[in-house]
Amino acid sequence: EDQVTQSPEALRLQEGESSSLNCSYTVSGLRGLFWYRQDPGKGPEFLFTLYSAGEEKEKERLKATLTKKESFLHITAPKPEDSATYLCAVHGYGQNFVFGPGTRLSVLP
Amino acid sequence: EPEVTQTPSHQVTQMGQEVILRCVPISNHLYFYWYRQILGQKVEFLVSFYNNEISEKSEIFDDQFSVERPDGSNFTLKIRSTKLEDSAMYFCASSERGPPPYEQYFGPGTRLTVT
Repeated sequence: EDQVTQSPEALRLQEGESSSLNCSYTVSGLRGLFWYRQDPGKGPEFLFTLYSAGEEKEKERLKATLTKKESFLHITAPKPEDSATYLCAVHGYGQNFVFGPGTRLSVLP
Repeated sequence: EPEVTQTPSHQVTQMGQEVILRCVPISNHLYFYWYRQILGQKVEFLVSFYNNEISEKSEIFDDQFSVERPDGSNFTLKIRSTKLEDSAMYFCASSERGPPPYEQYFGPGTRLTVT
């Protein structure tokens, strides 16, 4: 059975304090790993798709990396507007999309 | 910028009633999805739809649920005989390409409250 876990559950950072969020997954064959951002009361907003171990993608202050068992979302010099819940989701061959529980990020000014 | 829209934003219904949740995907997208998120819980996949048929569905998507693309723009989720535990946010999503995984764009959601 596919499983996706995320850590930490919640993270508070000072503005400018870089950190990383973790997504650990087990899947029989990975088709893709997704990162989304979700603001309260809204739908998830697509950030990245990663397909294979070693792949990296960047967007503004965010960088996503992928290994065979986990993905990291690195946040460099975060700003208060980066505060949100960050969701990881996995799609495996012959499996449905499975979302993790998310990491609630708060960036304090 | 094109976006996925959903109506209504909030639906209140009584247990046992049928509800239809509506979505207008991004116009050139070919793959459509429904997800739900019970308050405080994970986003859960319900179903994917391509070329007028279901591509994948989860265990949650049982005979109580059905999807339809009644015309060239709308994509609907019907829930028959609603239960209290169906109360959740329901998100529609669409993607330009497929089969998955390609980036999916989510709508703002419909909050369903079953009383």
